[in-house]
Amino acid sequence: NAGVTQTPKFRVLKTGQSMTLLCAQDMNHEYMYWYRQDPGMGLRLIHYSVGEGTTAKGEVPDGYNVSRLKKQNFLLGLESAAPSQTSVYFCATRLAGGLLSYEQYFGPGTRLTVT
Amino acid sequence: SQQGEEDPQALSIQEGENATMNCSYKTSINNLQWYRQNSGRGLVHLILIRSNEREKHSGRLRVTLDTSKKSSSLLITASRAADTASYFCATDQAGTALIFGKGTTLSVSS
Repeated sequence: NAGVTQTPKFRVLKTGQSMTLLCAQDMNHEYMYWYRQDPGMGLRLIHYSVGEGTTAKGEVPDGYNVSRLKKQNFLLGLESAAPSQTSVYFCATRLAGGLLSYEQYFGPGTRLTVT
Repeated sequence: SQQGEEDPQALSIQEGENATMNCSYKTSINNLQWYRQNSGRGLVHLILIRSNEREKHSGRLRVTLDTSKKSSSLLITASRAADTASYFCATDQAGTALIFGKGTTLSVSS
């Protein structure tokens, strides 16, 4: 089992360019999340999904879009990258419902630099 | 806005010593979780404590929760160099999403 994987691992973009980050999971988890981590800021939630075909905004959604067309994939898009989006992006998943399901499983991260 | 705030921001200890990290939060919660992040890696879940629990143990980890003070503490006993990492508390209010604190960076020297 690969668990939670993220593609790409590193990327450098110029201001105004677009890109899509892919999160894939083989854990059959219903919930998926996108976070960004900046120095001294901890993790902040961008968008999340509680199931295939559903998405919701988190704390810092501006400048990002997401899609969950398949249960195992959660895509994060930047339509017009800005230097303020330079960050490390983490995807996470978890099961739905039940007390044992609240634990989140994280991918290894994508380091994005926007120049 | 971030719910949890860890204290201290950084902690340096010697191997064999205990490490205590604190987390304060603002609103009522469903559960509180602690995660560890090794440098350059994703977060790993350590322990979850529910709002109706006061203390929980897992190996060398001990977590307490005081809902009246809206605070939690993570104690790592007999620290090892391999415990060097950042530790985050995360609160779950509605069972859907977590809100993370800014973390405590623990350095354990041998």
